[in-house]
Amino acid sequence: EAGVTQSPTHLIKTRGQQVTLRCSPISGHTSVYWYQQALGLGLQFLLWYDEGEERNRGNFPPRFSGRQFPNYSSELNVNALELEDSALYLCASSPGGPQAFFGQGTRLTVV
Amino acid sequence: KNEVEQSPQNLTAQEGEFITINCSYSVGISALHWLQQHPGGGIVSLFMLSSGKKKHGRLIATINIQEKHSSLHITASHPRDSAVYICAVKYFRDYGGSQGNLIFGKGTKLSVKP
Repeated sequence: EAGVTQSPTHLIKTRGQQVTLRCSPISGHTSVYWYQQALGLGLQFLLWYDEGEERNRGNFPPRFSGRQFPNYSSELNVNALELEDSALYLCASSPGGPQAFFGQGTRLTVV
Repeated sequence: KNEVEQSPQNLTAQEGEFITINCSYSVGISALHWLQQHPGGGIVSLFMLSSGKKKHGRLIATINIQEKHSSLHITASHPRDSAVYICAVKYFRDYGGSQGNLIFGKGTKLSVKP
C-alpha cells in the first residue's frame, strides 16, 4: 500500500512568487494535515482538511491557503512568497481519530 | 497551557548505550506519537500510544497517563539511530486552537558515535 506522497520533493522560488505543493493521502484516509518546519524550528500546524472542508487553521497569514479534492488529495498554496517561508512542508494523512501518517515533505527554498 | 516538552534537547551516546528520551505534556490527550526525522527531513512514525507500552525491535515507548509523561527508549544504540526524535500529542479537546491537529515537541537530536 502506498504511503503519503508529496510533490515536488524540492523546489526553489523567488520572493514574491506563488507556489503550490501537493499531497496524496493513503487510500481511504479522509483527513490531510499540513505542517511547516522552518530551519531550526519545530513543526508548526498549518491546515487541516477533512472530507473536503477546512477544519482548522494554524497561526499563519492568509497567503497560506489550500484545498482538498474529492479524492482527498490536497494542495497547499503560498502566495507572495517571503524569505522566511523557506521550510520543509510536511503533509500527514489520517483515517480519522489520532492516527497520523507522514509524507517525506517538500523542501521549499525562497531566494 | 498546551506545550509539549521534550528532554534532553541534544543527546550524544556511544554505540551500544541505552538511551532514554522524555516527553511531558500538560492536558488530557487522545494519543501520543513518537516520530523520527532523519537529516533528509522525512518523518517516520515510530509509535502511537494511548496507554501502556509498545515495543518494536530495539525501540520501546511507554506512557503514563496519570503523570502525563512518555518515554522513548533505544536499547543497544547504533549510529544509524542518529536522528531527531519528536514527541507529538493530540488533545482530547480544542486547547488554543489545537482541534484535530498534533502538537509537537521541539525534538531531541540524538547522535550515536561508533
